[in-house]
Amino acid sequence: ETGVTQSPTHLIKTRGQQVTLRCSSQSGHNTVSWYQQALGQGPQFIFQYYREEENGRGNFPPRFSGLQFPNYSSELNVNALELDDSALYLCASSTASGNLGELFFGEGSRLTVL
Amino acid sequence: AQSVTQLDSQVPVFEEAPVELRCNYSSSVSVYLFWYVQYPNQGLQLLLKYLSGSTLVKGINGFEAEFNKSQTSFHLRKPSVHISDTAEYFCAVSNGAGTYKYIFGTGTRLKVLA
Repeated sequence: ETGVTQSPTHLIKTRGQQVTLRCSSQSGHNTVSWYQQALGQGPQFIFQYYREEENGRGNFPPRFSGLQFPNYSSELNVNALELDDSALYLCASSTASGNLGELFFGEGSRLTVL
Repeated sequence: AQSVTQLDSQVPVFEEAPVELRCNYSSSVSVYLFWYVQYPNQGLQLLLKYLSGSTLVKGINGFEAEFNKSQTSFHLRKPSVHISDTAEYFCAVSNGAGTYKYIFGTGTRLKVLA
């Protein structure tokens, strides 16, 4: 069983640039959630995708956007990067939206904005 | 609104000693509670979860937690820790309604000393 994989693992950008992070969900999972984990903090919910539609969003501005593809993989896009966007971005997959269950996390993409 | 408080940012403990990591939550609705562990440079792994039923929940690696509704707590315990338990531990809450929007605490760093 293939787990959740994320790419890239590390990247450095400068303020104002745009970044795309990618996530492949665990086999059999149709829901993907994205979390931002700033240094020394707990993860914060960005949004969730189910069947290619956004299904819930946290308190993040519109410059944070995402996609889910027919194979359930997902992208997180961040435009107009700010210094405070520096964080570990975690992708988590699960089996269904609206039902409680375990989130399976990838190892994250660490973004540094200079 | 839901929130999670982990009062202890760091907990040092000697190997083979017992440990308790504290978690308190606030919510106006029924909640589901989780403990996740994060090892260095890795994603989050589920230790255990409380959905309903017995208030004492057993998880992986010898950990257990007790749900106390009157005290709105979900403390994590282990009777005898190992060096390998050194990691960051996160408590999370979800009302399970509609999305997988988990609210995480700020984490407790458990450091097991030889």
